[in-house]
Amino acid sequence: AIQMTQSPSSLSASVGDRITITCRASQDIRKDLAWYQQKPGRAPKLLMYATSNLQGGVPSRFSGSGSGTDFTLTISSLHPEDFATYYCLQDYDYPRTFGQGTKVEVK
Amino acid sequence: QEQLQQWGAGLLKPSETLSLTCGGYLGSFSGYSWTWLRQPPGKGLEWIGDIDHRGNTKYSPSLESRITISVDTSKNQLSLKLTSVTAADTAVYYCARLMTFGVDVFYDALDLWGQGTMVTVSS
Repeated sequence: AIQMTQSPSSLSASVGDRITITCRASQDIRKDLAWYQQKPGRAPKLLMYATSNLQGGVPSRFSGSGSGTDFTLTISSLHPEDFATYYCLQDYDYPRTFGQGTKVEVK
Repeated sequence: QEQLQQWGAGLLKPSETLSLTCGGYLGSFSGYSWTWLRQPPGKGLEWIGDIDHRGNTKYSPSLESRITISVDTSKNQLSLKLTSVTAADTAVYYCARLMTFGVDVFYDALDLWGQGTMVTVSS
C-alpha cells in the first residue's frame, strides 16, 4: 500500500498567517491527491482534488501544488474558520490511503 | 447543501455484525461510485472500501475478509456490513460519494459526505 506521510502533525498559527502543510507519498502518485478539511464533530469536506483543483465554493486562499511524491496545501492568509484538521488522500491506487492529518490550532 | 443520511446500530457487542445504511441522496446511487470510511475516536481517517456504478467493489486488505459494501438500487441506498466486530472497530463511520473529475485524465475525490455514525463495540 502507498504510504502518505503528512507533516507537521500540528501547527499553531494566527489569523492572517500563511501556512503550508506537506504530504509525501511513498511512491509516484502523479497528481492523484486530494485535500480535506475536518472540523470537530463534523464530516470531512473536500477542498481540492487532482492536487491543485479547488472544489466549488472553497475560497481562493487555499491552494495546492506538487506532483509525483511531494505535495503541499497552502492557506495564504488564515481565517478564523480555517482552524481545523487537514488530511491528504491519494486516489492513485488501491487501497486508498490518508495522511495522518495536520491540526491547525490557534496560537 | 445536500448531505447523505446515515443510520444503523450504534452499540454492538464483540462478534456481532455492524450494519450501516446510507441514503437520502436525491439522485441515483447506481449512477456513481461510493465509499465507506471510518475514524476511531481521536484518530485519523481510514478508507474502508469503494463500490463503483457497476457494483464492483474494492476493500481495505485489513478488513476484506469481514466487509461487504452494496447498493440496493430499489431503495436507492448504500450499505456496509462488517462481521465479527471487536473493540478495534469502534469508530465514526462515514459514507461518501466518490466523484470522478477530469476530461482526458481522471481523478477521484469524495465530494458529498454523510453526517457520520458513531459505532461503539463493547461487551
